Amino acid sequence: EVQVVESGGGLVQPGGSLRLSCAGSGFRFSSYWMAWVRQSPGKGLQWLASIKQDGSEQLYEDSVAGRFTISRDNAENSMFLLMNNLKVEDTAVYFCARQLGSGWPFDSWGQGILVTVSS
Amino acid sequence: EIVLTQSPGTLSLSPGERATLSCRASHSVSSHYLAWYQQKPGQPPRLLIYGASSRATGVPDKFSGSGFGTDFTLTINSLEPEDFAVFYCQQYDRTPYTFGQGTRLEMK
Repeated sequence: EVQVVESGGGLVQPGGSLRLSCAGSGFRFSSYWMAWVRQSPGKGLQWLASIKQDGSEQLYEDSVAGRFTISRDNAENSMFLLMNNLKVEDTAVYFCARQLGSGWPFDSWGQGILVTVSS
Repeated sequence: EIVLTQSPGTLSLSPGERATLSCRASHSVSSHYLAWYQQKPGQPPRLLIYGASSRATGVPDKFSGSGFGTDFTLTINSLEPEDFAVFYCQQYDRTPYTFGQGTRLEMK
């Protein structure tokens, strides 16, 4: 069974940093692009970043480019999102999702993890 | 950026009826790079349709997608209680990948 599981969320102060992790199982992790998508009441579903199978290419949404960094460790079947200079508006549920390729939809999603940015 | 506008915002129907949901794109979505997702409370989105009209694995044929260019439709036949949820369209033609704001399908 294909599974992706997020971890690392929580409460952080504005300007702080947080690193999210995503563990994949039940599929050949190194064969898939992986992505982060977030959902907040104010902005709905928002794609944030995607990373190629070997990590050689990363794509970012403009509002997080330069603050967020996506990476992966195929040996550990894991993907990460390092979030710096967090803002109140980054408060959301963050989902890890699988993509067959950069021109493909998100075919498997984790349950999501809550990140709250507040003082 | 391709902006996706979904209508209606809320659709109230009874079990057994047919639902028709619309997604309009601000720019043409090439090669049918348009997907539909279903999301129930407390759950992640579930991929239903990709390539505008292809059903994802395990999705029953009561769900169908159509359209091209800037106008796309999700149709759900013979609504059952478990079908009521929020539905989102998404384009993956070009970055930033974008989602519509969602249509809430509620039971009348």
